[in-house]
Order: sequence, then C-alpha cells, then structure tokens
Amino acid sequence: QAVLTQAPSVSAAAGQKVSISCSGSSSNIGNHFVSWYQQLPGTAPKLLIYDNKKRPSGIPNRFSGSKSGTSATLDITGLQSGDEADYYCGAWDSSLSAGVFGGGTKVTVL
Amino acid sequence: EVKLLESGGGLVQPGGSLRLSCGGSGFTFRYYAMGWVRQAPGKGLDWVSAITNDGATSYYGASVKGRFTISRDNSENTLTLHMASLRVEDTAMYYCAAGVGATRSDAFDIWGQGTLVTVSS
Repeated sequence: QAVLTQAPSVSAAAGQKVSISCSGSSSNIGNHFVSWYQQLPGTAPKLLIYDNKKRPSGIPNRFSGSKSGTSATLDITGLQSGDEADYYCGAWDSSLSAGVFGGGTKVTVL
Repeated sequence: EVKLLESGGGLVQPGGSLRLSCGGSGFTFRYYAMGWVRQAPGKGLDWVSAITNDGATSYYGASVKGRFTISRDNSENTLTLHMASLRVEDTAMYYCAAGVGATRSDAFDIWGQGTLVTVSS
C-alpha cells in the first residue's frame, strides 16, 4: 500500500488537459516538496517536476505541478499519444525518514 | 553523456545476499545524493534507500531497514547496495538514481536502466 494516494487511471482526448492528483499527509506533502515522474512502458522513470512546480531542463511546459496543503496536482495540457504512461508522485516523509511514492496513475489518450 | 549503470542483479535464494553496484559518469558524482528505487513486476515505485553526497548520512525504507546497507565511493564514482536476508518480496527491478542536490533524496533527476533481482528457491 503506497503512502501517497493516486487514482489508478485517468483518460482524455488528444489535445485536451488531464489532471493527476496525489494525496498525502502533514508528514509528507504537507511539509515537504513534491516531485512527479513519468514512466513509459519498459523504461526507467523520468523526473518531470520537482520542488512542487519546477521543471528540469528539457521538460516541456505542457507539464506543470502545484501543491495545496496535503495534496498535489500534475497537469498535462495539449495531451499527446506519447504522453501515455504511468505517472508517479513522490515526497519525503519526515515520520518515516524516507522517501515515499504514490501508487501511480496510468494516463490513456483517447 | 550523463549516465548511471547498474550491475549485480540476478537470481538468489530466500535468505541469501546480493550486492548491487552503480557507476556514474558524465556528471560530478560527489556533488549529489544517491539512492535506490525498486519496482516489483507490474507494480509501482518503491523508495529503498539513499545516501548524502558525502556518505555521512543514509536512509532506508521500512521494508529494508536492518537488511540492506547503502554505501558510496566518490573516488570511484560508485554507489553500492548490500542486500542481506533477501525475501521473495524483494524481487524487483532496482534502479540507481541521483538526487536533485547534495542532501536531497526526495527527488531523483538521473536514473539508470535498472538491474533485475529475483529472489526464488
């Protein structure tokens, strides 16, 4: 059972926007930065967002992150077929003194 | 080219031990915290362990604490994970990853391709 909670799947039509939510608690999201990863089938995860809303170089601005309280959201605009992947949120958990991930959300482009 | 390359995975019996290694190149290894993340077949990501850039502080996930030991050699740009008392549920792809800062292991920017560990009798 993942510490952070994500919906198992979301879908939207190509060109539309999809939002992926991640819910936690005061020991993780509430008091620590959130990161987001994209994992394409058969590949290693790729960092999309860190420090709640920062994008590493090379990540298009179609991907954006936000945080409010103990929840965080990843928005993907202008959805493309190549965005079909699993998306994971992550954060530090001060109660566990370890990192934690969400269970992952599978994005399907209709 | 920035790269992390894992090695050491394989088949091991329950109760056995294994050592995973990860070599970094194309970036200043000693500047970054490093960690291990695993993924069981068909499952999600599981944070395993991390170590600060200077090797002074290490952290472990609850499921591996007391069984796994992380270490690094900055002179060799190498990260190591010693795994003992292995269980069937430790079966997973193990990824080596670099944190976004010297002490930051809450987010990983550079990832290896993974090495598969299978624990089975």
